[in-house]
Amino acid sequence: GENVEQHPSTLSVQEGDSAVIKCTYSDSASNYFPWYKQELGKGPQLIIDIRSNVGEKKDQRIAVTLNKTAKHFSLHITETQPEDSAVYFCAAIPGGTSYGKLTFGQGTILTVHP
Amino acid sequence: DVKVTQSSRYLVKRTGEKVFLECVQDMDHENMFWYRQDPGLGLRLIYFSYDVKMKEKGDIPEGYSVSREKKERFSLILESASTNQTSMYLCASSLGWAWTGLTEAFFGQGTRLTVV
Repeated sequence: GENVEQHPSTLSVQEGDSAVIKCTYSDSASNYFPWYKQELGKGPQLIIDIRSNVGEKKDQRIAVTLNKTAKHFSLHITETQPEDSAVYFCAAIPGGTSYGKLTFGQGTILTVHP
Repeated sequence: DVKVTQSSRYLVKRTGEKVFLECVQDMDHENMFWYRQDPGLGLRLIYFSYDVKMKEKGDIPEGYSVSREKKERFSLILESASTNQTSMYLCASSLGWAWTGLTEAFFGQGTRLTVV
């Protein structure tokens, strides 16, 4: 089955700096890669996703890149703000009849210091 | 707004008790999922359901069962709770299959279960 590895486990940055979180996956047939943000006391919420036919996607201060050859994808947050502090999860959906079943990475605790 | 509602935010149960965690979604989604969240391990899939009365095991199904009698409701059952099942449990729902593009999963707020 699919295996997703996420690094780093914790990330501390100053407000205004950039933050990068990286993930690798094992199933070359995986075709959908979402990123979720989990704030304290809440369930994860989708912030951006990318499909296997696209190399990069941006949405304001966040961007995701995908390298299918190397089987890795990354989340980039620019001009970080204290409200970006949260736990971030990458995930992958394997190809085929997976019913949208997500395999998650281990999570990254991002702390943005004012 | 899509809403996935879990019946309890916090639960404390005794070892050996039968525990029911309930989840309801209001968007007519076919797929529903139960995940377990533990620090350093991310979210791990326990069971999922792609239709009423249909279910499949996830990565860590041991000690759990599920029930989906109605499309909007998906229940997780701990047949005999043990201390190693102390965790955060998250329910999610999504629409459609992976290649339709309609695969965003919406999560509930989670149930923090403590087994003593």
